[in-house]
Amino acid sequence: DGGITQSPKYLFRKEGQNVTLSCEQNLNHDAMYWYRQDPGQGLRLIYYSQIVNDFQKGDIAEGYSVSREKKESFPLTVTSAQKNPTAFYLCASSIEGGLRKYFGPGTRLTVT
Amino acid sequence: KNEVEQSPQNLTAQEGEFITINCSYSVGISALHWLQQHPGGGIVSLFMLSSGKKKHGRLIATINIQEKHSSLHITASHPRDSAVYICAVGNTGNQFYFGTGTSLTVIP
Repeated sequence: DGGITQSPKYLFRKEGQNVTLSCEQNLNHDAMYWYRQDPGQGLRLIYYSQIVNDFQKGDIAEGYSVSREKKESFPLTVTSAQKNPTAFYLCASSIEGGLRKYFGPGTRLTVT
Repeated sequence: KNEVEQSPQNLTAQEGEFITINCSYSVGISALHWLQQHPGGGIVSLFMLSSGKKKHGRLIATINIQEKHSSLHITASHPRDSAVYICAVGNTGNQFYFGTGTSLTVIP
């Protein structure tokens, strides 16, 4: 079955540590996205990538970094510079230029 | 001001009731999406529409482009419909704007 996987589902880290969230897709989609979801707010775009080895900052990229070395994979690193990292993180993909996005199951990150 | 506004924010219904969730947007769009997010967090795309009406089972989505408004209807609601329903709009520049969601609880 084609789809998007994110791991782990729950992640706990101490303040000051970098943490990497995994996102893998086998849909052969060119474009991949990372969103952050906070209670009472709509999803906000962190980073997106439309092609391998290229990515662009979204609306709230500060404190985050990404890489896109393979078409299938778009890992997100939450760095210690991110002031409020505790949130629910969603990865999505789409055909390049496509309007329909497919979402992963999400990772809930808690930093204490 | 948010580009996408949803109402109501929270909705509680008795099983069997007809439910309507509304979405208004202020930007030009190529398509509007209705998404469903279950308590576990994963998001499923219910509808993508750019005009008229779509129906899938007990779910109906309508859009009025002139009024920049869409509605999601659930007929004969069931407890398993309990979820957060999110309206999102996408434009030709591949920008996506999300509403804050409507939390629906259907009581048996």
